[in-house]
Amino acid sequence: EADIYQTPRYLVIGTGKKITLECSQTMGHDKMYWYQQDPGMELHLIHYSYGVNSTEKGDLSSESTVSRIRTEHFPLTLESARPSHTSQYLCASSKPGVHEQFFGPGTRLTVL
Amino acid sequence: EDQVTQSPEALRLQEGESSSLNCSYTVSGLRGLFWYRQDPGKGPEFLFTLYSAGEEKEKERLKATLTKKESFLHITAPKPEDSATYLCAVIGNQGGKLIFGQGTELSVKP
Repeated sequence: EADIYQTPRYLVIGTGKKITLECSQTMGHDKMYWYQQDPGMELHLIHYSYGVNSTEKGDLSSESTVSRIRTEHFPLTLESARPSHTSQYLCASSKPGVHEQFFGPGTRLTVL
Repeated sequence: EDQVTQSPEALRLQEGESSSLNCSYTVSGLRGLFWYRQDPGKGPEFLFTLYSAGEEKEKERLKATLTKKESFLHITAPKPEDSATYLCAVIGNQGGKLIFGQGTELSVKP
């Protein structure tokens, strides 16, 4: 079944730890996105990719980095997590020629 | 600057009580307006895309309409399972990225 997956769903870690949030999609979409969403707030784009080896920063400044080595995989990495990184992280993808984005279930990150 | 404002922030309805959610937008050259549903702790679920003023889309109890300045999501005879946060987003000619509103939290009581 074509879908978009995120792991882990929930993560609680200590300050200073390095973490990677995984996102994979089996829909064959070329465009992928990472959003950050705080409770009751709008989604903010932090990274996006229009294809393999293409990555760009979004509108919201983020200390995270991303990579796109395979079409279906778009991981997000925080080298040194801080409490200010506590948030929900949502991955999305879209296919060529259309703007509709389809979202994964999200990762709820808590940094103590 | 592209902007999306949704109202009200929260809406409480009785089962069967129809109502509308509003999405006002300013964008340079609208290329699409999108409605999503988001349940607590989950990612947004795509509902509709509208491209031009006058366009309407329907799905079960939901109907989305679009004018040059705003979109409405009409909910007819809602049920408790319609309770969720409804998000509106636009994409314009500049930037090519979705701009989201803060959402309307809908609660439908039996």
